[in-house]
Amino acid sequence: DIQMTQSPSSLSSSVGDRVTITCRASRSIGTYLTWYQQKPGKAPNLLIYTASSLQSGVPSRFSGRGSGTEFTLTISSLQPEDFATYYCQQTYSVPLTFGGGTKVEIK
Amino acid sequence: QVHLVQSGAEVKKPGASVKVSCKASGYTFTRFYLHWVRQAPGQGLEWLGMINPSDGSTNYAQNFQGRVTMTRDTSTSTVYMELSSLRSEDTAVYYCARKTSNAFDIWGQGTLVTVSS
Repeated sequence: DIQMTQSPSSLSSSVGDRVTITCRASRSIGTYLTWYQQKPGKAPNLLIYTASSLQSGVPSRFSGRGSGTEFTLTISSLQPEDFATYYCQQTYSVPLTFGGGTKVEIK
Repeated sequence: QVHLVQSGAEVKKPGASVKVSCKASGYTFTRFYLHWVRQAPGQGLEWLGMINPSDGSTNYAQNFQGRVTMTRDTSTSTVYMELSSLRSEDTAVYYCARKTSNAFDIWGQGTLVTVSS
């Protein structure tokens, strides 16, 4: 199975800050990397697919980069509605595995 | 509009089985695989498996082999996930999700399954 490791597991930031979350795969997954945002009590919401493609309707302050084993999700200017937990997922091979999540909290 | 609507919360005793449904609407049911993901309280996301609504073929995570069964009913555009031999560690919110080429773009609202004696 491909292990997905996210860092940090949590962070505190202020509105307007630039935030970067890292996701590492245990072996190369090309660009088969997806990012989701989840708010408490809600289902995950798709942000980024194939490592860098922005899902329709997602604000352009979200961006994704990377290939192979190392990926990043960046929020260029954190907004109040962005405080949530973010998960990466590999869709390269089954079982489809998720990272452990990064909780973004208000400083 | 595309929707996945799941059945309601369940409370089960250890050793019992639970069957959760996920009804699709707003798109051609047989075009996209449907997956099941669960989330224990305060924990991350765990993939259980997937079903091809077109032919009913399935692929399950090794951790759930022998305990999980996914089926579909094309007449009602509904998929089902049944988990047997329940234990307390199976207490979680169970989600169905539609997979496009590379991502889960539509999710159900989630179904809380509580396993308690």
